[in-house]
Amino acid sequence: DQQVKQNSPSLSVQEGRISILNCDYTNSMFDYFLWYKKYPAEGPTFLISISSIKDKNEDGRFTVFLNKSAKHLSLHIVPSQPGDSAVYFCAAHDMRFGAGTRLTVKP
Amino acid sequence: EAGVTQFPSHSVIEKGQTVTLRCDPISGHDNLYWYRRVMGKEIKFLLHFVKESKQDESGMPNNRFLAERTGGTYSTLKVQPAELEDSGVYFCASSQVLGNEQFFGPGTRLTVL
Repeated sequence: DQQVKQNSPSLSVQEGRISILNCDYTNSMFDYFLWYKKYPAEGPTFLISISSIKDKNEDGRFTVFLNKSAKHLSLHIVPSQPGDSAVYFCAAHDMRFGAGTRLTVKP
Repeated sequence: EAGVTQFPSHSVIEKGQTVTLRCDPISGHDNLYWYRRVMGKEIKFLLHFVKESKQDESGMPNNRFLAERTGGTYSTLKVQPAELEDSGVYFCASSQVLGNEQFFGPGTRLTVL
């Protein structure tokens, strides 16, 4: 029973363009979400979070949008850089993670 | 400040053997979590300690897995006896505040042959 889903296993974008990573959840009780970034052979590192009282949170090139009615959130990276190439995980506050999306940013 | 550390980084064992993984959280973090990622799938929650107490162990797959955190500092996760399906990367994470960002260790890659 996967309550946090990332349906795109991979995404490839050109350097300088926007990367949009999507995440869906099923439990309307979830009220806090986090995005983590993971490089090979390393543990995930926290990137950005959003509380359900907001619909947007921005930190530099990273913005997370939350659509509560659709139970959907997305992470926007603009402009994308080659160093952003990693696996991105969406997580709910109760420690449920999605399967991750591998982002490749091509120079 | 030292981050979360895990030992060993890799472990290869045969089915039926025992393996013990260790996690040292960030000093002062009462919350400690164990996760497992199998074959590129989701990072699956195993259990959560608050200090030395098991707050939530709903993700532990079966009684072959035993986690301890004596003294509320480092934690161990023992798998006994190991089965083939236990292979994966085991992550440990810690946090100061429940529900806030967690700091992950580099993981232990366990291979059961």
